[in-house]
Amino acid sequence: AQSVSQHNHHVILSEAASLELGCNYSYGGTVNLFWYVQYPGQHLQLLLKYFSGDPLVKGIKGFEAEFIKSKFSFNLRKPSVQWSDTAEYFCAVIPPYNQGGKLIFGQGTELSVKP
Amino acid sequence: ETGVTQSPTHLIKTRGQQVTLRCSSQSGHNTVSWYQQALGQGPQFIFQYYREEENGRGNFPPRFSGLQFPNYSSELNVNALELNDSALYLCASSTKKGENEAFFGQGTRLTVV
Repeated sequence: AQSVSQHNHHVILSEAASLELGCNYSYGGTVNLFWYVQYPGQHLQLLLKYFSGDPLVKGIKGFEAEFIKSKFSFNLRKPSVQWSDTAEYFCAVIPPYNQGGKLIFGQGTELSVKP
Repeated sequence: ETGVTQSPTHLIKTRGQQVTLRCSSQSGHNTVSWYQQALGQGPQFIFQYYREEENGRGNFPPRFSGLQFPNYSSELNVNALELNDSALYLCASSTKKGENEAFFGQGTRLTVV
C-alpha cells in the first residue's frame, strides 16, 4: 500500500546533539512534503514544507529537510537540539493528483531531549 | 495560535451514541479537513469540505459524516459510536482545497466507553 514511513518511533538525545529523523514515502510522481511538530498539549504546527525548487528546505527553529527524489525521502535535520525540541514529529505527504487535498501522515517520531 | 478552534476539547460518550464535533476555520480559509489521530499514531484523513461540498474522503465508514456552513465552519458527526472511535479528532483549515499549508486546531479528545 502507498504510505509514509518514519524510521524511528522514539529518539532520545542529549542537548547539543545532532538530529536526523528519517521519512520515506512510496508515491510516484510529484508530491508535496511536510514536517509537522506537536509539542505536548499543543496543536500540530508546520516546521517546513517542500513543493518544488531547492531540495534543501529551511524551516522554523533551525530545522531543515532534504528532499531526495531518487530515494523517495524527506529527512528532517537539526545540527544541535535543545530541550525545548522535545515533541512528536510527523512527516506528511500530499500524494500526486491530490484527491481532496488529503495529507498522508507517517506514524510519528517522539523526540526526547535530555538537558 | 492558528486561528482554528475546535469544541469541545474533551468528550466522553457511551458506545452506540452519536457525537458532533465543531470546528471554526481560520479567517479567509474556505477548506476544512478532518483527521482522526489514535493514540501513538499519525493523523488519518477522514474527509475534506470545500465551499460546503465534500471534496474527498478517506477510508472511514458512512457513520462518519460532515457538514460545512456558509461561514466555512464545519461539523464532524459520528453515529453509532464504537470503542475504537476513541481518538483525538483534528480539524485543519486551508485554502485551495488543501494544496497550501493546513493550519490545525488543538483537537477534540473523544473517549468512548
